[in-house]
Amino acid sequence: SQQGEEDPQALSIQEGENATMNCSYKTSINNLQWYRQNSGRGLVHLILIRSNEREKHSGRLRVTLDTSKKSSSLLITASRAADTASYFCATGTGANSKLTFGKGITLSVRP
Amino acid sequence: GAVVSQHPSWVICKSGTSVKIECRSLDFQATTMFWYRQFPKQSLMLMATSNEGSKATYEQGVEKDKFLINHASLTLSTLTVTSAHPEDSSFYICSAPQTGALNTEAFFGQGTRLTVV
Repeated sequence: SQQGEEDPQALSIQEGENATMNCSYKTSINNLQWYRQNSGRGLVHLILIRSNEREKHSGRLRVTLDTSKKSSSLLITASRAADTASYFCATGTGANSKLTFGKGITLSVRP
Repeated sequence: GAVVSQHPSWVICKSGTSVKIECRSLDFQATTMFWYRQFPKQSLMLMATSNEGSKATYEQGVEKDKFLINHASLTLSTLTVTSAHPEDSSFYICSAPQTGALNTEAFFGQGTRLTVV
């Protein structure tokens, strides 16, 4: 079953703008992860935030986690056309990184 | 970072035949691997958890006799789609976490595009 629900489902922005994607989940988690998938390809791990963390940065990425609201956001700053992809949040519960994925957000960055 | 290799990247097979997909952790040991299935424009759905040296754990609604999983070594898990039908056409992806590590990323294979004709 799916745990994460992202919104919006599709996002189209101009190159240079910031992209914000949100994810909500239902159960307690150990961590929340964001992945990127180019069309027809495997998943690339972007960032992991633990349940006791509130914010994390990695390059142009900023992730927040609000466990009281069971939600997370992914911000991509200064977007590039190469950021065009599908983005998924995934929640980790229990051991061994078993992940439950959200439905995904399709991001289009116009050059 | 760690590398998970999945093979083949795509396969076309006739209805009724079986197809084997391999998932290898190249530079680390993985006592557990996960198999996911993704239909076009949809999310990844966990099919089963592959456990080295023991039986796989299947998610509800996934036929274990249809999707045979073997995890015979610490670096290799295989998924065999038996008697494949067109509705089995999908994108199959494996992942492997580093053994014993909690709160770490999972490393994904490149995925296998299966088309059953």
